[in-house]
Amino acid sequence: QVTLKESGPTLVEPTQTLTLTCTLSGLSLSDVGVGVGWVRQPPGKALEWLGLVYWSGDTTYSPALKTRLTVTVDSSKTQVFLTMNNMDPADTATYYCAHRPDLASGVWVLDEWGQGILVTVSS
Amino acid sequence: EVVMTQSPATLSVSPGERATLSCRASQSIFTYLAWYQQKPGQAPRLLIYGASTRATGTPARFSGSGSGTEFTLTITSLQSEDFAVYYCQQYNDWPPLLTFGGGTKVEIK
Repeated sequence: QVTLKESGPTLVEPTQTLTLTCTLSGLSLSDVGVGVGWVRQPPGKALEWLGLVYWSGDTTYSPALKTRLTVTVDSSKTQVFLTMNNMDPADTATYYCAHRPDLASGVWVLDEWGQGILVTVSS
Repeated sequence: EVVMTQSPATLSVSPGERATLSCRASQSIFTYLAWYQQKPGQAPRLLIYGASTRATGTPARFSGSGSGTEFTLTITSLQSEDFAVYYCQQYNDWPPLLTFGGGTKVEIK
């Protein structure tokens, strides 16, 4: 059974750097075809994709946010980290990590999601 | 960058009726499209990928169609548990870049 869980601070101050952890269970980024994505959702608004890391260790990012984002993986390949710098109140959102399954080559969807963590940016 | 536009923003439907949701891409995305369902306080759930392939566990009353720039999610005979917000999502083949639409809320009429 694949599960993901987000953890990290729920309150950050403007201009600070946010680091969130996604802990994986039942999967590993050592498995070919597997990926983990990050998605956020401001209160009452739509989903926004942030970035993706996949089994090779490569990453891709939303063009709108790529200068502020870094996604990394720990040596055990069971924790994925999202770092976002220069946080602003507009970044207040629920942040999700999610699993990219190996359904087929070229299919980049997210089939298992963490519960999400609400991060508020305020002084 | 591909922009995804969903319509309508809100759809009022009676239980047992059919719902038709639209998603338009700003450029051709072939069939690189997925649909998700999200209920209040929950994470999204993958319903459809490849424009028309149901994900594991997706009921047969959900069907997806379309290619290029125009896509449709159809829910036949709406059940109470289907009232939710639905998002489309496009994906590039390589490198993978994902974009979500703005969502359609399906509410009880």
